[in-house]
Amino acid sequence: GESVGLHLPTLSVQEGDNSIINCAYSNSASDYFIWYKQESGKGPQFIIDIRSNMDKRQGQRVTVLLNKTVKHLSLQIAATQPGDSAVYFCAENGRTSYGKLTFGQGTILTVHP
Amino acid sequence: EPEVTQTPSHQVTQMGQEVILRCVPISNHLYFYWYRQILGQKVEFLVSFYNNEISEKSEIFDDQFSVERPDGSNFTLKIRSTKLEDSAMYFCASSYTEAGNTIYFGEGSWLTVV
Repeated sequence: GESVGLHLPTLSVQEGDNSIINCAYSNSASDYFIWYKQESGKGPQFIIDIRSNMDKRQGQRVTVLLNKTVKHLSLQIAATQPGDSAVYFCAENGRTSYGKLTFGQGTILTVHP
Repeated sequence: EPEVTQTPSHQVTQMGQEVILRCVPISNHLYFYWYRQILGQKVEFLVSFYNNEISEKSEIFDDQFSVERPDGSNFTLKIRSTKLEDSAMYFCASSYTEAGNTIYFGEGSWLTVV
């Protein structure tokens, strides 16, 4: 069946450090991957996305890496700030099921000043 | 920046009552979605809607659920006879296209069934 899961449920880092959040997916038909940030009591906020024909994409302070061989996705946050503290979800979207995102369990990122 | 807006932010209802959650998607978006998140769990897909009809729904979206786009701006989720297990945060989302396009979420409507 389809599933998207995370290796680590919590991650604590010091302000200024780089953070890496990992995600594994099982659906080989996954075509589009998104990272969302969710702060307490709020909706998922889009961070960055990547299509399956790419292996790396960079945004402002964030980089997403996709390894299709091992079905692994990671989100790297450079110079992590206290405002980055939130739950981070990866989500995937298959070619036959666009719009139906399958979310992972989430990783809690805590940034200590 | 355009955003998806939802009302109410929080609703408490008695078991068996009907609830309507409302959403205003981003204005030029064509695809609309409802997701839900039970406390402490991951976000789950409920339904997608395009061109005034449901394009896909999950097994959660049973006969007690319905969606409607009553006018050019609103998108609603109706739960006909609420159950305790319907208590969750309900997120509306929208995208311009369906194929690999960014899906933007609203802030959510927290539904508590007592």
